[in-house]
Amino acid sequence: EAEVAQSPRYKITEKSQAVAFWCDPISGHATLYWYRQILGQGPELLVQFQDESVVDDSQLPKDRFSAERLKGVDSTLKIQPAELGDSAMYLCASSLRGTGNVWETQYFGPGTRLLVL
Amino acid sequence: AQRVTQPEKLLSVFKGAPVELKCNYSYSGSPELFWYVQYSRQRLQLLLRHISRESIKGFTADLNKGETSFHLKKPFAQEEDSAMYYCALSGLSGNTPLVFGKGTRLSVIA
Repeated sequence: EAEVAQSPRYKITEKSQAVAFWCDPISGHATLYWYRQILGQGPELLVQFQDESVVDDSQLPKDRFSAERLKGVDSTLKIQPAELGDSAMYLCASSLRGTGNVWETQYFGPGTRLLVL
Repeated sequence: AQRVTQPEKLLSVFKGAPVELKCNYSYSGSPELFWYVQYSRQRLQLLLRHISRESIKGFTADLNKGETSFHLKKPFAQEEDSAMYYCALSGLSGNTPLVFGKGTRLSVIA
């Protein structure tokens, strides 16, 4: 069964360093989401892609976070510089394109747990 | 504003007892409601969604628009139901992101 892949699974870094996370969605899934989950909270959307285009990045802290999906397949989320408050689980999810009122199931990856020291 | 509230962080029940995980929401319009589950060392996965009106692993959820609630219920809890449960909502149009509650950890005691 196809799954969303993420790497690395764990990342420890010092504040002010740069970090990058990678996500490979399920093949054929046009929509890709990055969520951040702080300990004790539910996931919160950072950015949504439809193919290679950003659909929603209103909650992405653009002064330090960037995301790209150059060929509309895999995606990279970068933080530079990392801050202590960025410690969290970063989840990637993907879904089929979806049209009209058809809501397509989002499938989640295992996540990357980031610890900033 | 879109918001999902799960009032219980932890719910402990005995095996065979009924389970009800509470979820209330606020949304301007008619949202689609979901329950996601995360078992130990596994990824977050969809348990059920309102529009499907189905029962998954013995769980059901009824949407009460008057009370803006979408509580998850199971008549007889099993040990394998122990997990983290998240209530979530989205807009009705295709491919809108999910808004999650903070989650409830269900512990089923043998």
